[in-house]
Amino acid sequence: GAVVSQHPSWVICKSGTSVKIECRSLDFQATTMFWYRQFPKQSLMLMATSNEGSKATYEQGVEKDKFLINHASLTLSTLTVTSAHPEDSSFYICSATRTAQETQYFGPGTRLLVL
Amino acid sequence: AQSVSQHNHHVILSEAASLELGCNYSYGGTVNLFWYVQYPGQHLQLLLKYFSGDPLVKGIKGFEAEFIKSKFSFNLRKPSVQWSDTAEYFCAVLPMDTGRRALTFGSGTRLQVQP
Repeated sequence: GAVVSQHPSWVICKSGTSVKIECRSLDFQATTMFWYRQFPKQSLMLMATSNEGSKATYEQGVEKDKFLINHASLTLSTLTVTSAHPEDSSFYICSATRTAQETQYFGPGTRLLVL
Repeated sequence: AQSVSQHNHHVILSEAASLELGCNYSYGGTVNLFWYVQYPGQHLQLLLKYFSGDPLVKGIKGFEAEFIKSKFSFNLRKPSVQWSDTAEYFCAVLPMDTGRRALTFGSGTRLQVQP
């Protein structure tokens, strides 16, 4: 159990376009989902925490208007990278938990390349 | 703010050698502790976790970790590594009394096991 999927697994887009990444908990209801960014050979950096039905909490330095997060249901959260630029190219990973003390289960990640 | 230190950035071992990866955190309150593994080209998977109770926890694939509260450490061990253990290992901490539900990750340790 506790499977998290992400779609797409990779995406290439032109600079200035927007890209939506989906994160789904397949076999459990996720009250909270997290979005991370991972640079090559580095650790995961938390971008935002998303609670179902409420606004996301963004980490310091993360632009809310650029990285739009929607957690409309207990099994789906989306991250939209608006007006993407080459510096937004990265590996985006989501995770999900059932409760505050529950283990986070990670999705496979989405590799974004902005040309 | 809490931080997590993994002092070994890159470890190279021969098969059958013993492994110990260090993890120290800086937070004085109650914490949940995790070790995640990321095999090449795959997503993060939970190796083991500590919530409470016996400070020596056993995880999958023969891994174990010991929580030493006085040293703020949660080192990962395996008596005899295999080539298939080649991966990136991340230690993570979840403070339990801040209201914050996001994990703080260490910078990761790349383990390379030579056959």
